[in-house]
Amino acid sequence: DSGVTQTPKHLITATGQRVTLRCSPRSGDLSVYWYQQSLDQGLQFLIHYYNGEERAKGNILERFSAQQFPDLHSELNLSSLELGDSALYFCASTLGGASYNEQFFGPGTRLTVL
Amino acid sequence: GQQVMQIPQYQHVQEGEDFTTYCNSSTTLSNIQWYKQRPGGHPVFLIQLVKSGEVKKQKRLTFQFGEAKKNSSLHITATQTTDVGTYFCAGHKDSNYQLIWGAGTKLIIKP
Repeated sequence: DSGVTQTPKHLITATGQRVTLRCSPRSGDLSVYWYQQSLDQGLQFLIHYYNGEERAKGNILERFSAQQFPDLHSELNLSSLELGDSALYFCASTLGGASYNEQFFGPGTRLTVL
Repeated sequence: GQQVMQIPQYQHVQEGEDFTTYCNSSTTLSNIQWYKQRPGGHPVFLIQLVKSGEVKKQKRLTFQFGEAKKNSSLHITATQTTDVGTYFCAGHKDSNYQLIWGAGTKLIIKP
């Protein structure tokens, strides 16, 4: 158990819909990273938040947005969903603002768009 | 763009054979991390290499960081079924503190 929690574990929805994925980092960690992993693919970095502020953006679509709240949990919002958005979404946390330390990954949320 | 190339994409081995995955960057990396993702699981940190020419061992796993800090390898001796999974490298470019991920190498044990 990495100490990072993600909810829900599974999510099934329809095209055009909007969903929210939630991540709680390890106790004391200030950074949250979001990744997308399509079937049998690598990890695509989406976005990084540090202590409530956006630190870096990766290949994140305009239909996707994220935020980190004062209690440091983070939410990833996916809207106007398309079939191709079906994937595993991981969040990871680290203590500091730069990912020089190891990243601790949550168990992921599996999103299926029908 | 910034890339870390990882090869091969898949490697099928008989149990007991060795396995190696390689990561290459066109520019110098300040460090490199290795992660393992078991089937159905999430990535788990294995190790971080920082120094030029560094070699670290974890039981049957040997990690190397090239002298030029542009490449790295993970070698597993005498693979076991517990080694099955996808191995990812991820590096920091000197000028960028974001991790750049390799595409992963999937280790498959032949039945």
